[in-house]
Amino acid sequence: QVQLVQSGAEVKKPGASVKVSCRTSGYSFRNYGISWVRQAPGQGLEWMGWISAYNGNTNFAQKFQGRVTMTTDTSTSTAYMELRSLRSDDTAVYYCARVTRRACDIWGQGTMVTVSS
Amino acid sequence: DIVMTQTPLSLSVTPGQPASISCKSSQSLLHSDGKTYLYWYLQKPGQPPQLLIYEVSNRFSGVPDRFSGSGSGTDFTLKISRVEAEDVGVYYCMQSIQLPTFGQGTRLEIK
Repeated sequence: QVQLVQSGAEVKKPGASVKVSCRTSGYSFRNYGISWVRQAPGQGLEWMGWISAYNGNTNFAQKFQGRVTMTTDTSTSTAYMELRSLRSDDTAVYYCARVTRRACDIWGQGTMVTVSS
Repeated sequence: DIVMTQTPLSLSVTPGQPASISCKSSQSLLHSDGKTYLYWYLQKPGQPPQLLIYEVSNRFSGVPDRFSGSGSGTDFTLKISRVEAEDVGVYYCMQSIQLPTFGQGTRLEIK
């Protein structure tokens, strides 16, 4: 079955970077995109960006432009999201999700990133 | 950015009774390709979101037929014909005609 398994929780200091991985299985990785969505504690969902696993094309929400990088490794069917210059308000659960028909149809379990001095 | 506005923000429903959630977008979600890029998700407590409905009215694989979506243009509705205990959680609408944005969420609880 289709699965997206994310890396474990992270604790970072303000100004640092974090890189979250999303290992996929059960489908042809290059035929779909991957979106990243975050959720601050007790808050709603916020779309961060998308990457095509076919050609690496990306689209980012404007608020993350210049601070986020999304990449894929087709040899391991894994997607990565790196967020730099972390602030306390970046504390959130970060989700990866497979994209089909412009929808996030299958989601990873989430990765908690805590930014604290 | 397209703003998605959900109402109500919370509702409490007796099991077996219907429930309805409205989602309005600040711009039409009808694309020139004829598709309307409006989706519904349910986030159960402690879980990632799960896709319920895609392109307004199509149930995703495994979604019970008590869930239905309708609407067009800028006004959309998710209906649950008979609420069950397992339907508890937060419901989100999302548009992806432009860069995706989500509604604020509607929390459903059981009376």
